[in-house]
Amino acid sequence: DAGVIQSPRHEVTEMGQEVTLRCKPISGHDYLFWYRQTMMRGLELLIYFNNNVPIDDSGMPEDRFSAKMPNASFSTLKIQPSEPRDSAVYFCASSLLIGAGGGYTFGSGTRLTVV
Amino acid sequence: SQQGEEDPQALSIQEGENATMNCSYKTSINNLQWYRQNSGRGLVHLILIRSNEREKHSGRLRVTLDTSKKSSSLLITASRAADTASYFCATDALNSGYALNFGKGTSLLVTP
Repeated sequence: DAGVIQSPRHEVTEMGQEVTLRCKPISGHDYLFWYRQTMMRGLELLIYFNNNVPIDDSGMPEDRFSAKMPNASFSTLKIQPSEPRDSAVYFCASSLLIGAGGGYTFGSGTRLTVV
Repeated sequence: SQQGEEDPQALSIQEGENATMNCSYKTSINNLQWYRQNSGRGLVHLILIRSNEREKHSGRLRVTLDTSKKSSSLLITASRAADTASYFCATDALNSGYALNFGKGTSLLVTP
């Protein structure tokens, strides 16, 4: 398996533009997570899915953020409109289990810069 | 919300020395995991210790867990330059739906 695949690796956009980040989890993993990493706040859980269903989106900062998982092999995180404070590295991770001791597999991240 | 907090924030040692990183957390946990992140890369799972375990080993890694003190430590023995990375502890708990909450990490520099 190629691991968790995220695209794009880097994204530079202007304030107010829509940004879409993409993730392909490991085949067979039932859980998918979106995290955001900044120097100030560290790694923050934004949302996670189980079998394509959003379970907890309490970490999504504002209504400008939305996430979907239309099928088991694809998820998107969308920011509309984007703001400079959204600049961060966004990670997608997948896991076979949670709670019962499943480790997460992370993608390489998307570095987002909003100017 | 963040649960774990690593200490120290940064650590610099020479090759061959041991590196110890600590993690403290606030609420009861189900299990605790340690991850490594190389610069510009995603996090890599290193080791997991369950709440009913006190110590676990994996190669040059040794993890301890003290649930009474709500703390864990990661020991890397005989460190190598390739161990240079950031190390994060992560906890899962019922109140977070068992999704992992990460600390801010310890940045480890191992010099030849």
